[in-house]
Amino acid sequence: GAVVSQHPSRVICKSGTSVKIECRSLDFQATTMFWYRQFPKQSLMLMATSNEGSKATYEQGVEKDKFLINHASLTLSTLTVTSAHPEDSSFYICSAPSAYNEQFFGPGTRLTVL
Amino acid sequence: DAKTTQPPSMDCAEGRAANLPCNHSTISGNEYVYWYRQIHSQGPQYIIHGLKNNETNEMASLIITEDRKSSTLILPHATLRDTAVYYCIVRVNSGGYQKVTFGTGTKLQVIP
Repeated sequence: GAVVSQHPSRVICKSGTSVKIECRSLDFQATTMFWYRQFPKQSLMLMATSNEGSKATYEQGVEKDKFLINHASLTLSTLTVTSAHPEDSSFYICSAPSAYNEQFFGPGTRLTVL
Repeated sequence: DAKTTQPPSMDCAEGRAANLPCNHSTISGNEYVYWYRQIHSQGPQYIIHGLKNNETNEMASLIITEDRKSSTLILPHATLRDTAVYYCIVRVNSGGYQKVTFGTGTKLQVIP
């Protein structure tokens, strides 16, 4: 099946710094990708929809200036957590739909902000 | 997307069938039932989906009631590696915009 990768798999950063997470569709093109956040013992919460060639669409309550999304190509979307704080520590997961309407998820990125 | 209701947790003995129920009483005629699972600290994995007929693949079987208001995911011979959170989701299976909204899921613990 289709594969979605994320990089890095885990990152530790200091408060106030910015962190970039990459999401790639490895063997298919994705004009749309989705970014989720998951806190411990909770379900995945959709943060935003990344659209190739246009602005991302953010879910209610998600700060677009804090979570910058860039869908640079048909196989790459990036999420940048700006001015990270400890409360941004979470598991970030991306997904991309294939041409057959299946949703493929990346392995996730564990962010720890000190 | 229609709301789903799942039990928060279930146990299953290794080698036995695991039957995970899901209620989706407000499902619309054009909404499909999807199942995903998430093993600890990994991204969700697609399992199976269906509209009204029962479906089977190499991972599981999906049984959808005739009125489509509930469904059951069956793992025929559960193994320890099937321990995960299982999410039942109903959504329109349209091309393009494929947003998936997760509920709380069922935490399945397979016991040796």
